[in-house]
Amino acid sequence: AQSVSQHNHHVILSEAASLELGCNYSYGGTVNLFWYVQYPGQHLQLLLKYFSGDPLVKGIKGFEAEFIKSKFSFNLRKPSVQWSDTAEYFCAVNPNSGYSTLTFGKGTMLLVSP
Amino acid sequence: DVKVTQSSRYLVKRTGEKVFLECVQDMDHENMFWYRQDPGLGLRLIYFSYDVKMKEKGDIPEGYSVSREKKERFSLILESASTNQTSMYLCASSQARGQETQYFGPGTRLLVL
Repeated sequence: AQSVSQHNHHVILSEAASLELGCNYSYGGTVNLFWYVQYPGQHLQLLLKYFSGDPLVKGIKGFEAEFIKSKFSFNLRKPSVQWSDTAEYFCAVNPNSGYSTLTFGKGTMLLVSP
Repeated sequence: DVKVTQSSRYLVKRTGEKVFLECVQDMDHENMFWYRQDPGLGLRLIYFSYDVKMKEKGDIPEGYSVSREKKERFSLILESASTNQTSMYLCASSQARGQETQYFGPGTRLLVL
């Protein structure tokens, strides 16, 4: 069965620091990759997604992620975080076949101090 | 905008009670999903449905069942609630099979006493 591993459970940064959240997956075939974000008290919402093409994808609020197929990774980055980026971030994988189910990582809680 | 609504934000039930969690989406999506979210465990798929009256087990279906009688509505049923089913339950929907984003509801926080 496929699995998704997020490297950090908790990350604490100061405003303006750079962010990189790691995500690795285990699945041998073609995949679709997602990052979702859950702000305090809000719905889970899509941050960005990769289906094919340019492995560097840009999402909302200045986030980007790079798909490195050889490393089975899809790391999330932001050059300069803001206090409003405090949230929980989830990486998710969908095999590019069959049903549209997602396998989620366990999440990374990001706390940005002002 | 896609809207996924869940019948309750908070629910308190007693052990052994039958519990119904309702989810409605307004975008004519074929796929609907139920997850539970627990701290440190992320989201785990309980059941999903890709069409009316169709259902498939996810990763943790034990103790749950589902019903999809209409395209827009997907119900999660706890036949006999237990304390280990205390959790946040999230419903999601997406368009037909393929590379489609899932859209999530606000969640129902269930406490089983």
